[in-house]
Amino acid sequence: GNSVTQMEGPVTLSEEAFLTINCTYTATGYPSLFWYVQYPGEGLQLLLKATKADDKGSNKGFEATYRKETTSFHLEKGSVQVSDSAVYFCALTGGYQKVTFGTGTKLQVIP
Amino acid sequence: GAVVSQHPSWVICKSGTSVKIECRSLDFQATTMFWYRQFPKQSLMLMATSNEGSKATYEQGVEKDKFLINHASLTLSTLTVTSAHPEDSSFYICSAISMAAGSDTQYFGPGTRLTVL
Repeated sequence: GNSVTQMEGPVTLSEEAFLTINCTYTATGYPSLFWYVQYPGEGLQLLLKATKADDKGSNKGFEATYRKETTSFHLEKGSVQVSDSAVYFCALTGGYQKVTFGTGTKLQVIP
Repeated sequence: GAVVSQHPSWVICKSGTSVKIECRSLDFQATTMFWYRQFPKQSLMLMATSNEGSKATYEQGVEKDKFLINHASLTLSTLTVTSAHPEDSSFYICSAISMAAGSDTQYFGPGTRLTVL
């Protein structure tokens, strides 16, 4: 079946540091890939998505590139802010529109 | 666009009572909605897939008689936790797929925190 593996957190960074959260996946066919963000006490918000190989999703300074050869979709941001502190979920959509989530990575940005 | 709301945002109830949670797509129609459960510091666990006008499809291990799902319209799905017990306390999140935006992007509600005393 489909699966998503992302790096365990928590990840603690200083403000303006570079962020990478690794995500790899296993899936049949050609899934769409997503990053969702969850702020404390809230639901999930779609951060970015990519639907085919070599696509780059971007939003709010975050980027991720769909790498089929390495089955990866790593999340990056050049300069994080305190307001980026949240839990980030990598996910994919396979058959029947079901979403498979990674376990989530908590990011804490300190001033 | 693509906003999903949930009501209530939090609820506290006594053991043995039933609780209904609503999930609405505010600015789009959704033939398919999903219900998830999230335990503290964990990922989301899919409970069921709700299709408008038909019976919900439950994931393995989810009691369909305990978690009643009704998808009465293209903008509303409800989850009723029947005879709730403390172990049902959790964060329940719904999502919906927008027909207009394509078939593979789920938009999530803000979640409902259920506490059963």
